[in-house]
Amino acid sequence: DTGVSQNPRHKITKRGQNVTFRCDPISEHNRLYWYRQTLGQGPEFLTYFQNEAQLEKSRLLSDRFSAERPKGSFSTLEIQRTEQGDSAMYLCASSLNPGLAGGKYEQYFGPGTRLTVT
Amino acid sequence: DQQVKQNSPSLSVQEGRISILNCDYTNSMFDYFLWYKKYPAEGPTFLISISSIKDKNEDGRFTVFLNKSAKHLSLHIVPSQPGDSAVYFCAATKGDYGGSQGNLIFGKGTKLSVKP
Repeated sequence: DTGVSQNPRHKITKRGQNVTFRCDPISEHNRLYWYRQTLGQGPEFLTYFQNEAQLEKSRLLSDRFSAERPKGSFSTLEIQRTEQGDSAMYLCASSLNPGLAGGKYEQYFGPGTRLTVT
Repeated sequence: DQQVKQNSPSLSVQEGRISILNCDYTNSMFDYFLWYKKYPAEGPTFLISISSIKDKNEDGRFTVFLNKSAKHLSLHIVPSQPGDSAVYFCAATKGDYGGSQGNLIFGKGTKLSVKP
């Protein structure tokens, strides 16, 4: 299976703890996105990488959040000092540059990491 | 301010009939639109897309229609099958030339139930 994978699938943590999630994109995809989804809402964009460069961050991404993609392959999303409001599904997606994808912007999502902060 | 709106939270359809899911957007800079399907506890799965230079795109049982003047798109599923029961999300992007680097703006989703 060469789809997007995310680990862990579920994480329960206590308020104030730090958590880190991992995303492994489709191998030939150079773009990687993080989204957050809460109940009753669609996914909301958090941040974007092209290769190893983080090129865009949403206003939703507070300074407690940090993301890396050190070698342009897998990515990690860390949340420091978690709050109950951080409870959500964290989704990773990958895509090709549209120039390499025939002008298409399709993103392929992983199964997500569900975070519960108690 | 919600830039992509799916005003029907749910839709129920009989198996074999047509399902029509609607989506409205407000940002005229959106130039590429996508539909995703999501089952519980899974990530969204890409279904079909359409560029703003087209008004229709078809893939098997799925057809997406785009009306740029009305800022409206719809997804038609014909014939509907029980396995189509899921939450469907409409998404839009300004693409690279709109300064968004392709990030997607999603609606809140419509839950489709196809009854046997």
